[in-house]
Amino acid sequence: EPEVTQTPSHQVTQMGQEVILRCVPISNHLYFYWYRQILGQKVEFLVSFYNNEISEKSEIFDDQFSVERPDGSNFTLKIRSTKLEDSAMYFCASQTGGGFQPQHFGDGTRLSIL
Amino acid sequence: QKEVEQDPGPLSVPEGAIVSLNCTYSNSAFQYFMWYRQYSRKGPELLMYTYSSGNKEDGRFTAQVDKSSKYISLFIRDSQPSDSATYLCAMSASSGAGSYQLTFGKGTKLSVIP
Repeated sequence: EPEVTQTPSHQVTQMGQEVILRCVPISNHLYFYWYRQILGQKVEFLVSFYNNEISEKSEIFDDQFSVERPDGSNFTLKIRSTKLEDSAMYFCASQTGGGFQPQHFGDGTRLSIL
Repeated sequence: QKEVEQDPGPLSVPEGAIVSLNCTYSNSAFQYFMWYRQYSRKGPELLMYTYSSGNKEDGRFTAQVDKSSKYISLFIRDSQPSDSATYLCAMSASSGAGSYQLTFGKGTKLSVIP
């Protein structure tokens, strides 16, 4: 069964450094999402992306965050200057288009900011 | 008032028991209701999704939605040790932008004891 893959599984970064999290969505999917889950808290929506532009973003997704689909397969989340509070699990999800379709999640990247 | 409330448990049941998991919500715009299962260090795995009120059955799993009460449930029949995981409810409304951001509950941790 096709799946969403995320790399790396664990990223350790010094505060203030830039980090890029990578995702390969399911190949025929059209909508892409990033969510995060701080330890012990709910999974929270960050941003959705369709047709090479952001569809929606939450108030968490401030100027420090950006997303890109640099080629036909990868979908990336960049955090420009990481803060301690950015430490979390980051999940990528994708769905097919054409109205509501369930989202399929990757196994996440654990981001640890030191 | 929090948008989606879910008792975090933990919930421990003997093998073969019927498990009832539930969530309440406050946003009457939610139209799509999902249950995800999350094993430790893995991403959310879609179990079932429903649109609006009613029941949906899939094998040992039954999802119920009562929009008038803003209450959703997941029932697991003949529970197995392999069902031990955290169960997340998630909900979505059409934003008009084409994407469907999910709002999650905190998750209920279930243990099925052999």
